[in-house]
Amino acid sequence: EDKVVQSPLSLVVHEGDTVTLNCSYEVTNFRSLLWYKQEKKAPTFLFMLTSSGIEKKSGRLSSILDKKELFSILNITATQTGDSAVYLCAVTPYNFNKFYFGSGTKLNVKP
Amino acid sequence: DSGVTQTPKHLITATGQRVTLRCSPRSGDLSVYWYQQSLDQGLQFLIQYYNGEERAKGNILERFSAQQFPDLHSELNLSSLELGDSALYFCASSVGVSEVDGELFFGEGSRLTVL
Repeated sequence: EDKVVQSPLSLVVHEGDTVTLNCSYEVTNFRSLLWYKQEKKAPTFLFMLTSSGIEKKSGRLSSILDKKELFSILNITATQTGDSAVYLCAVTPYNFNKFYFGSGTKLNVKP
Repeated sequence: DSGVTQTPKHLITATGQRVTLRCSPRSGDLSVYWYQQSLDQGLQFLIQYYNGEERAKGNILERFSAQQFPDLHSELNLSSLELGDSALYFCASSVGVSEVDGELFFGEGSRLTVL
């Protein structure tokens, strides 16, 4: 059965800390893994990864995919209160006919 | 603004009733996906349409149905509503034909409350 598991389920840190969020997956005909940030409503896109070992970066956020071990990590350095959100991981097979989402990691950054 | 429009934003109804949620995808996107998110839950995939045809089904109840029209907008119909159907329903769209275009763009969601 295709599935995506994220850990930890929730995390509380203080501003300036670095956090690592984990996503492991099992999906038939894996094509890509995506990270989304969900604050109050709609998830917003962060990264899409398709190749193993290549890091994607955007400011203080970075992510890497390991296709052999079937996982990805999302790193956030120098966290800010605005990083507080639920971070969702999704995987999709080659035909993009489904995006399987994990249950998310709820990050709370305290001042 | 993702470019995906969902209406209504909020809906309150009673058990046993029927509602229709509407979604207009981003201009040029052919794929529409529907997701259900209950309180503190992840996104549960319901159904996907591509250019008017159903392409994939997830854990969609028989009381729920959807369609995508020739102008590519989509509707999700929920009938014989139960308290447990209360949730945030998201529509997402993508071009859905290549790796580069594989990203999903989400609407703001329709919050359904069943009393």
